[in-house]
Amino acid sequence: AQKITQTQPGMFVQEKEAVTLDCTYDTSDPSYGLFWYKQPSSGEMIFLIYQGSYDQQNATEGRYSLNFQKARKSANLVISASQLGDSAMYFCAMRERNQGGKLIFGQGTELSVKP
Amino acid sequence: SQTIHQWPATLVQPVGSPLSLECTVEGTSNPNLYWYRQAAGRGLQLLFYSVGIGQISSEVPQNLSASRPQDRQFILSSKKLLLSDSGFYLCAWSVQSKGTNQPQHFGDGTRLSIL
Repeated sequence: AQKITQTQPGMFVQEKEAVTLDCTYDTSDPSYGLFWYKQPSSGEMIFLIYQGSYDQQNATEGRYSLNFQKARKSANLVISASQLGDSAMYFCAMRERNQGGKLIFGQGTELSVKP
Repeated sequence: SQTIHQWPATLVQPVGSPLSLECTVEGTSNPNLYWYRQAAGRGLQLLFYSVGIGQISSEVPQNLSASRPQDRQFILSSKKLLLSDSGFYLCAWSVQSKGTNQPQHFGDGTRLSIL
């Protein structure tokens, strides 16, 4: 069974608008962390934001915020005021405490920002 | 600050030839180290991870192997490459922690093409 599901293979957004990238996860470990990474066409993986399973508030990092709904097991990434440079692949990943430092990645969403 | 170096950036190899990809980390001690493979347009598949010198865990059976001869050096090898070994290989490191909040930090990747 998929542990991380990203149902949107591709998304388009107009420059300066907000966009939400979906991520649902599946785990029985009560302690876990959720991460979002950005992968531009050049290939490097850039860490964006982290949310812990026990965090009471949604994580925010600049224009990135995480809409964490624990009961629904979803951790959607919200990018506000999209910029052309936001065009990239975005990956959701999970780290379970009982699995050491390993990350499980979703299949990714390709975001295209239109001018 | 910590940096991760991965080389070569691109590699074209014939089927049946050997492989050696190297990754080194600077600015930290005793990191967890990881090798991932990414097929075109897909998510990342964890191949190997290491929590210390000489300690290697394999995630998927294949004709690849990994070694960690020094604390901050991680090598991915093959004695005989297959066509299916083509892909984008990423090395990553993270701080050793029992918690879930440590992100992995990635190198720039190696694009491997098998002919």
